[in-house]
Amino acid sequence: DTGVSQNPRHKITKRGQNVTFRCDPISEHNRLYWYRQTLGQGPEFLTYFQNEAQLEKSRLLSDRFSAERPKGSFSTLEIQRTEQGDSAMYLCASSKLGGHPNEKLFFGSGTQLSVL
Amino acid sequence: DQQVKQNSPSLSVQEGRISILNCDYTNSMFDYFLWYKKYPAEGPTFLISISSIKDKNEDGRFTVFLNKSAKHLSLHIVPSQPGDSAVYFCAARGGGADGLTFGKGTHLIIQP
Repeated sequence: DTGVSQNPRHKITKRGQNVTFRCDPISEHNRLYWYRQTLGQGPEFLTYFQNEAQLEKSRLLSDRFSAERPKGSFSTLEIQRTEQGDSAMYLCASSKLGGHPNEKLFFGSGTQLSVL
Repeated sequence: DQQVKQNSPSLSVQEGRISILNCDYTNSMFDYFLWYKKYPAEGPTFLISISSIKDKNEDGRFTVFLNKSAKHLSLHIVPSQPGDSAVYFCAARGGGADGLTFGKGTHLIIQP
């Protein structure tokens, strides 16, 4: 069990560019979550998957954001036409079906995005 | 509108004493509450949780108390240790959403 892995750890991009982040959950965890955290704030829920199905999306997830989990394993989060307001830490978490939802979410170390 | 509030951005406690972190919420539909701990450059780590049907849950040095009528919960750490220095987030589940709602966090500093 190597924990939740996120890549890259840091990403610097210019406004208007597209970026994609990857999350590898703990194996056998079938729930996967994306959160965003800005300075001085707590993590904000973006979306979550159960296996390959995207079950919930926050209103924070604008149409420039898209998340996929095509085979029910790793997930990608893409941001198109990035804006400076997208600068944040993007956190991925996973949990195992059968446990209480959101109980003992295992978080990755996050991807820090800076939009210049 | 912030549904989960941690009004103390930071808290300093002497090693060996009790640390008490507070959290207030506004959504009466929340049915499950959690505390997470976060070190710099790491993701949050689950610490302890409590269901809305209980008023206390204890796990070693950590105890969470829930006062539903006041919409208030607190995390007690006793005795406090240097390794407890971290940012603590209160989170809540429910209200029609599966995602957790987090507070802004409290930075706990344990002084020797």
